[in-house]
Amino acid sequence: EPEVTQTPSHQVTQMGQEVILRCVPISNHLYFYWYRQILGQKVEFLVSFYNNEISEKSEIFDDQFSVERPDGSNFTLKIRSTKLEDSAMYFCASSEAGQGWHEQFFGPGTRLTVL
Amino acid sequence: AQTVTQSQPEMSVQEAETVTLSCTYDTSESDYYLFWYKQPPSRQMILVIRQEAYKQQNATENRFSVNFQKAAKSFSLKISDSQLGDAAMYFCAYRSQETSGSRLTFGEGTQLTVNP
Repeated sequence: EPEVTQTPSHQVTQMGQEVILRCVPISNHLYFYWYRQILGQKVEFLVSFYNNEISEKSEIFDDQFSVERPDGSNFTLKIRSTKLEDSAMYFCASSEAGQGWHEQFFGPGTRLTVL
Repeated sequence: AQTVTQSQPEMSVQEAETVTLSCTYDTSESDYYLFWYKQPPSRQMILVIRQEAYKQQNATENRFSVNFQKAAKSFSLKISDSQLGDAAMYFCAYRSQETSGSRLTFGEGTQLTVNP
């Protein structure tokens, strides 16, 4: 069964450093998403992406964040200058279409630790 | 903006018994979808069940069913014949139908423990 994959599973970085989190969505999916979950808290939406453009972003997704689909398979989230409060689990998701019915399939997550 | 509230941070159930997890939401939209996701210790989010707001019939997936009360904006999850593998964090989520590619808005989660 096709699945969303994410690398690395765990990333440790120093405050102020740039990190890139990578995701490979399911191959025939057109919509891509990033969510984050700070330990013990709810899952929060960051951004959605379609047709090489951001279609929606939350107030969390400020200028420190960017997303890119550099080739036909990868979808990346870049944090330019990490802060302690960026420590969280980051989930990538993809869906076949953008209508609400269509399931968003989640990857296993990348645990980001900022020291 | 839509909000989702899960008022039960923790629940426990005996194996083979039935448990109900509560969820309420707030929205001004008439067309939307509701979901229950399961997050086991591996942290991966797994879809359990979904409900279209325009359908009055409650969704059912094997041992999992929902009680959808649109007027009350309530969406509870019932797990029948609970199994040890059901132990996980459960998140209720809302998704608009009015915007393509729209976000999932999650509740705070309910940690379910299944006792043998």
